[in-house]
Amino acid sequence: DSGVTQTPKHLITATGQRVTLRCSPRSGDLSVYWYQQSLDQGLQFLIQYYNGEERAKGNILERFSAQQFPDLHSELNLSSLELGDSALYFCASSTSGGSGETQYFGPGTRLLVL
Amino acid sequence: ELKVEQNPLFLSMQEGKNYTIYCNYSTTSDRLYWYRQDPGKSLESLFVLLSNGAVKQEGRLMASLDTKARLSTLHITAAVHDLSATYFCAVDPLGNTDKLIFGTGTRLQVFP
Repeated sequence: DSGVTQTPKHLITATGQRVTLRCSPRSGDLSVYWYQQSLDQGLQFLIQYYNGEERAKGNILERFSAQQFPDLHSELNLSSLELGDSALYFCASSTSGGSGETQYFGPGTRLLVL
Repeated sequence: ELKVEQNPLFLSMQEGKNYTIYCNYSTTSDRLYWYRQDPGKSLESLFVLLSNGAVKQEGRLMASLDTKARLSTLHITAAVHDLSATYFCAVDPLGNTDKLIFGTGTRLQVFP
């Protein structure tokens, strides 16, 4: 158990809908990352937040957005969902977000868009 | 665009044998990470390599980094069934961020 929690574990929804994925980092960690894992795209970095501020952005679609709240939990919002958004979404956290730190991954949220 | 390539993609090996997984990347970086993923599970950090020539070992796994060759290796010694998993390497392309670019993964199966 990494100490990173994610809810829900599974999510089934329809195309065009909007969902919110939630992540609580390890106690004391200030940085949160979101990744998407799918069969065709592999593991892709989406976005990073540090202490409430966006720090780095990857291949995140405009339909997706994220934020980190004052209590450091983070939410990933996916809207206008498409079949291709079906994937495993991981949240990870690290202490201060500095280069070379270990990122600890949560159990993931499996999203299925029908 | 940064590319991180692993080979082999699939590896079936007998218990007790040794083997090496290779991770090649296409840009200069001295930050290389190895993760393990069991089927349907999350990613577990194995090693963080932070400089040229870095070598780290944990149990039957040893990782090394050659930044000049843009190559990292994960060596498996005397494999056991519990090592069966998918192994990913990841690179920080700028060397100063946490924006990890992951390789394709190597699926390892160890049989008796």
